[in-house]
Amino acid sequence: EVQLVESGGGLVQSGGSLRLSCAVSGLSFSNQWMDWVRQAPGKGLEWVANIKPDGSEKNYVDSVKGRFSISRDNARDSLYLQMNSLRPEDTAVYYCSPSLNYWGQGALVTVSS
Amino acid sequence: DIQMTQSPSSLSASVGDRVTITCRASQDINNDLCWYQQKPGRAPKSLIYATSSLQSGVPSKFSGSGSGTEFTLTISSLQPEDFATYYCLQYKRYPRTFGPGTRVERK
Repeated sequence: EVQLVESGGGLVQSGGSLRLSCAVSGLSFSNQWMDWVRQAPGKGLEWVANIKPDGSEKNYVDSVKGRFSISRDNARDSLYLQMNSLRPEDTAVYYCSPSLNYWGQGALVTVSS
Repeated sequence: DIQMTQSPSSLSASVGDRVTITCRASQDINNDLCWYQQKPGRAPKSLIYATSSLQSGVPSKFSGSGSGTEFTLTISSLQPEDFATYYCLQYKRYPRTFGPGTRVERK
């Protein structure tokens, strides 16, 4: 069974930083593209970023470019999202997802102004 | 960016109804389209990938079709557990983009 456990969410002031982690089990992590998707309260889904299995390619939505950084540790079957210069509009539940096929329960990030 | 639209934005249906949701892309995405189901307070669930391929464990009452810019998700006989919001996603180009969602409500 595939399991995804996101952690690291919380309340932060505007301009602050957070690092999300996602622990993955039940599949071959090192062979998977990994994505982050977010959902603001009461809103739809928004793709944020993804990373190639070997970490050599990373893609981002424009609204987070230069502020967020996706990374992975294949030895630890873990995915990360470093979020800097946070804004109130980054408030959302953040989901990690291998190849957009499986989903964790998400980590809530709240950015106060 | 590729813009995704869905219609209707919401619909009311009864158990046993056949339900069809349409997703349109602003440019040709071949068949690089997924469908997801999300219930309130829950994570999304993958239903269909590559336009028409069912994810493992997804019942055959769900089906997808289309190509190019117009796609459909059909639920052949709506069951109580199917009342939810449905999203399409294109993965032809970056950034990946989701449709705004279609809420399926009980009539």
